[in-house]
Amino acid sequence: AQSVSQHNHHVILSEAASLELGCNYSYGGTVNLFWYVQYPGQHLQLLLKYFSGDPLVKGIKGFEAEFIKSKFSFNLRKPSVQWSDTAEYFCAVNGWATDSWGKLQFGAGTQVVVTP
Amino acid sequence: EAEVAQSPRYKITEKSQAVAFWCDPISGHATLYWYRQILGQGPELLVQFQDESVVDDSQLPKDRFSAERLKGVDSTLKIQPAELGDSAMYLCASSLLWAGSSYEQYFGPGTRLTVT
Repeated sequence: AQSVSQHNHHVILSEAASLELGCNYSYGGTVNLFWYVQYPGQHLQLLLKYFSGDPLVKGIKGFEAEFIKSKFSFNLRKPSVQWSDTAEYFCAVNGWATDSWGKLQFGAGTQVVVTP
Repeated sequence: EAEVAQSPRYKITEKSQAVAFWCDPISGHATLYWYRQILGQGPELLVQFQDESVVDDSQLPKDRFSAERLKGVDSTLKIQPAELGDSAMYLCASSLLWAGSSYEQYFGPGTRLTVT
């Protein structure tokens, strides 16, 4: 069975600092990878996704993620965070298998707090 | 912008009572998902519908949970009887096709269930 591991449960940083959130998955086959974000009081929404092609993916609000197949990783980055980036971030993986119908497996999430 | 609708937003019920949640996906979305999110964890898929058919309910506790999508549009998730451990956020999501395609999942605001 596939699993998703997010390295940090809580991250606190100051505005303008750089952010990197780790995500590793366990699945040997073809995968599709996602980062979702949940701002306080809002729905889960998609930040970015990787299906194929360039392993460096750019998403909304200045976020990017890099897929490193050899490391089974899909880390999220933002060079300079803003107070409005305070949110919970979820990594999700969809591994292709005959019995999975492409269902999403989520990590436990990382709560990011950006201080002014 | 079209959104996934869920009701109620909050539900408090006593254990052993029945409870039901409703979801209306984005118009035209063939795939509908019900997730459960326990505090401090990522969403976990309970059931996935393709039109009116269940394609994955492997994580649905079928002794007490049931889900239906009779006309392939809106859906109801029921718990009977509710147990204390069912306290969680119940999320509904929809997509044009399943997550393995290029279509992302759109999430609703969720129903927060508290069982006393």
